[in-house]
Amino acid sequence: DAGVTQSPTHLIKTRGQQVTLRCSPKSGHDTVSWYQQALGQGPQFIFQYYEEEERQRGNFPDRFSGHQFPNYSSELNVNALLLGDSALYLCASRTTGTGVGETQYFGPGTRLLVL
Amino acid sequence: AQSVTQLGSHVSVSEGALVLLRCNYSSSVPPYLFWYVQYPNQGLQLLLKYTSAATLVKGINGFEAEFKKSETSFHLTKPSAHMSDAAEYFCAVIPGGTSGSARQLTFGSGTQLTVLP
Repeated sequence: DAGVTQSPTHLIKTRGQQVTLRCSPKSGHDTVSWYQQALGQGPQFIFQYYEEEERQRGNFPDRFSGHQFPNYSSELNVNALLLGDSALYLCASRTTGTGVGETQYFGPGTRLLVL
Repeated sequence: AQSVTQLGSHVSVSEGALVLLRCNYSSSVPPYLFWYVQYPNQGLQLLLKYTSAATLVKGINGFEAEFKKSETSFHLTKPSAHMSDAAEYFCAVIPGGTSGSARQLTFGSGTQLTVLP
């Protein structure tokens, strides 16, 4: 059973460019969340997708957008990249409909460097 | 807003010594609490979680944590450190009374654990 997978593993972009990161959830999971982890900090919630809609959003600008596909996979898009967007981007998946304490499973992340 | 505070960004222990990583939360309603571990160049792995059942929670790899409402704490412990425990540890919270889709994790800033031979 494959866990959460993310691609690519590493990415280098320049300021002003756009980037797309991809996530495939763990088998059987239908909800995907994205987190940004800056160096030396804890992950920060970006947004969550369920049934192909953004359900909740953290304190991130509109430059950050996403999408969820019918097979539950998801993309994170960041436009007009800034140096401060350099971080590890983590995808997490879970099953909606169970208790609040259900486990979120994290992928290995995509490390983005903006030059 | 819900938050967690991890005291000590770096903790060093000798192999075989007690591991104690501190986490305090701010909430008037008991939240759901989690400890995650992150090994270098990897994602996060759940160690254990508190979801209003037993206050002493046992997790994987010999770790456990005790929920203390009076102290608003959820410290992580392990009786005997192993070299393989060297990693970064994150405490995280989901607000109490949360339902529906509002279940995102709020993480602390992390504690880097070093195990000395």
